[in-house]
Amino acid sequence: EAGVTQSPRYAVLQEGQAVSFWCDPISGHDTLYWYQQPRDQGPQLLVYFRDEAVIDNSQLPSDRFSAVRPKGTNSTLKIQSAKQGDTATYLCASSSGTGATGQLYFGEGSKLTVL
Amino acid sequence: GEQVEQRPPHLSVREGDSAVIICTYTDPNSYYFFWYKQEPGAGLQLLMKVFSSTEINEGQGFTVLLNKKDKQLSLNLTAAHPGDSAVYFCAVSYTGNYKYVFGAGTRLKVIA
Repeated sequence: EAGVTQSPRYAVLQEGQAVSFWCDPISGHDTLYWYQQPRDQGPQLLVYFRDEAVIDNSQLPSDRFSAVRPKGTNSTLKIQSAKQGDTATYLCASSSGTGATGQLYFGEGSKLTVL
Repeated sequence: GEQVEQRPPHLSVREGDSAVIICTYTDPNSYYFFWYKQEPGAGLQLLMKVFSSTEINEGQGFTVLLNKKDKQLSLNLTAAHPGDSAVYFCAVSYTGNYKYVFGAGTRLKVIA
């Protein structure tokens, strides 16, 4: 079974540039999460989806961050006008529809550096 | 609210010693509890999940204790070896939604 796939693995930007991260979850997993993990910190939830619907995006800096999952499978997280404070690893995770009982399966992450 | 405190942030032990990591949560709607391991450059890998009110689970080389009365979750690595060197995270899920909240992590170093 293929795991969660993320791309790109690394991105280096100047402030003000934009970047998109892509995530392909495990086949059949209907819940998908995006976490931001600053260096030496725990993952912090940005947004999560059930199928194509956003369930909670309250932690997403909406003025510059956006996330979509149009067909309930792959997802894209976009950062517009990146800031140095956005430097972090962006983790995608998926789980099957077992409520909050199942484990999360994580990708290897996309490491963003904003200069 | 949904907060999870994890300690210590750094831990260094000698090979063969035990290592204990503790998480404390506050929300009474906490549902399931998880320990994850993250090695350099890799995603988080599940070590164990627990649910029951007071539960001791044993895995390969570690023990997990959940004490819902004290709202505390612990991970005890028995006889640590260098391969256990990694960052460990606890996570808590909540009834009524699909949200998982993580602790800040513990960077464990096992010295041979």
